[in-house]
Amino acid sequence: GAVVSQHPSWVICKSGTSVKIECRSLDFQATTMFWYRQFPKQSLMLMATSNEGSKATYEQGVEKDKFLINHASLTLSTLTVTSAHPEDSSFYICSAREGLETDTQYFGPGTRLTVL
Amino acid sequence: GQNIDQPTEMTATEGAIVQINCTYQTSGFNGLFWYQQHAGEAPTFLSYNVLDGLEEKGRFSSFLSRSKGYSYLLLKELQMKDSASYLCVVMDSNYQLIWGAGTKLIIKP
Repeated sequence: GAVVSQHPSWVICKSGTSVKIECRSLDFQATTMFWYRQFPKQSLMLMATSNEGSKATYEQGVEKDKFLINHASLTLSTLTVTSAHPEDSSFYICSAREGLETDTQYFGPGTRLTVL
Repeated sequence: GQNIDQPTEMTATEGAIVQINCTYQTSGFNGLFWYQQHAGEAPTFLSYNVLDGLEEKGRFSSFLSRSKGYSYLLLKELQMKDSASYLCVVMDSNYQLIWGAGTKLIIKP
């Protein structure tokens, strides 16, 4: 199956710093990439959808100035958590879809962010 | 509103068969996915149904009835590694994924 990687797999940072998470589709070109966050024992919550070369579409309640998304190529999307605070601590997961809306989303392994 | 219902938790015995049900009410329908998620890990894709009927893939099978807004995931010959959460996900008419809360499956020896 299709492979999506994320880096880093975990990160610990101080409050007020920014953290960048990378998401790469390794063996296919991802027209669309998605960013989710997941709190413990809860389902995934979609944060934003990004299409290569265009601005991300953020879900209601997600601060676009805080969670910066860049989908610069068909194989790479980045999520930057700016001025992170402890409440931003979460499991961040990206997924990638090749082309059609009905294509399967393949998920990266996730990044666990802990903000001290 | 859009809603997906699946049991919160199920328990089964190693080697047995378990069926995880999912019912949904969504704005349109463009397919239903089942994902497996082990604790602390990202979801992995199991199956996709868009037409009525049963799709079999090894030990896992997924069934869909669009008229009933119903799907199930059938796991056979259960193994301890099948202990995980199973997420029912529906794609609505806007191609948005609506996530169920997941069913935690506990496998006992």
